[in-house]
Amino acid sequence: DQQVKQNSPSLSVQEGRISILNCDYTNSMFDYFLWYKKYPAEGPTFLISISSIKDKNEDGRFTVFLNKSAKHLSLHIVPSQPGDSAVYFCAAKVSGTYKYIFGTGTRLKVLA
Amino acid sequence: DAGITQSPRYKITETGRQVTLMCHQTWSHSYMFWYRQDLGHGLRLIYYSAAADITDKGEVPDGYVVSRSKTENFPLTLESATRSQTSVYFCASSDPDRLSGANVLTFGAGSRLTVL
Repeated sequence: DQQVKQNSPSLSVQEGRISILNCDYTNSMFDYFLWYKKYPAEGPTFLISISSIKDKNEDGRFTVFLNKSAKHLSLHIVPSQPGDSAVYFCAAKVSGTYKYIFGTGTRLKVLA
Repeated sequence: DAGITQSPRYKITETGRQVTLMCHQTWSHSYMFWYRQDLGHGLRLIYYSAAADITDKGEVPDGYVVSRSKTENFPLTLESATRSQTSVYFCASSDPDRLSGANVLTFGAGSRLTVL
């Protein structure tokens, strides 16, 4: 039973345009959500996080939106750059624990 | 060097053999984790630990054993390796994120294990 789902396995975007990566979750007991980026042969690296009590968090080109009623999380990258090409994972922390559940990942390709 | 290191980076073994993947972090983070990455499954939590001598099962613990005798080390042992355990294994440790207060996981570079 996948509690955190990324339904799009891949996404292609032109350089300079917006990339929108989506994530859905089924458990209401998550209190933080995080996005990670992963390049081949490297470990995932942290991008941005958001608390469940907020609906938006920005850090430079990256913005995360949280829609609690829809149990939906999205990451916006503006403008997209070729170096953003990677696999992106969303993750959710189970409230009251330090346990993180990850999604299946979306491969983003930014075309020059 | 500061950071989180995994060894070996690549390992080929045979079914039934015992394999230990090592993880070492230099930040004195309390929390440490083991994940495996498989196509179509993303990252799945195997075991995690809050401190030395405190460990908990994750989503897919069967066939794995962990220990945490020292804060900085968190080895993962496959007592009798099976082909289904062929995967890329990531160790991580966590630290609070100043912006949101979440505990941010920092990952090692991974250990690619092939079980023949």
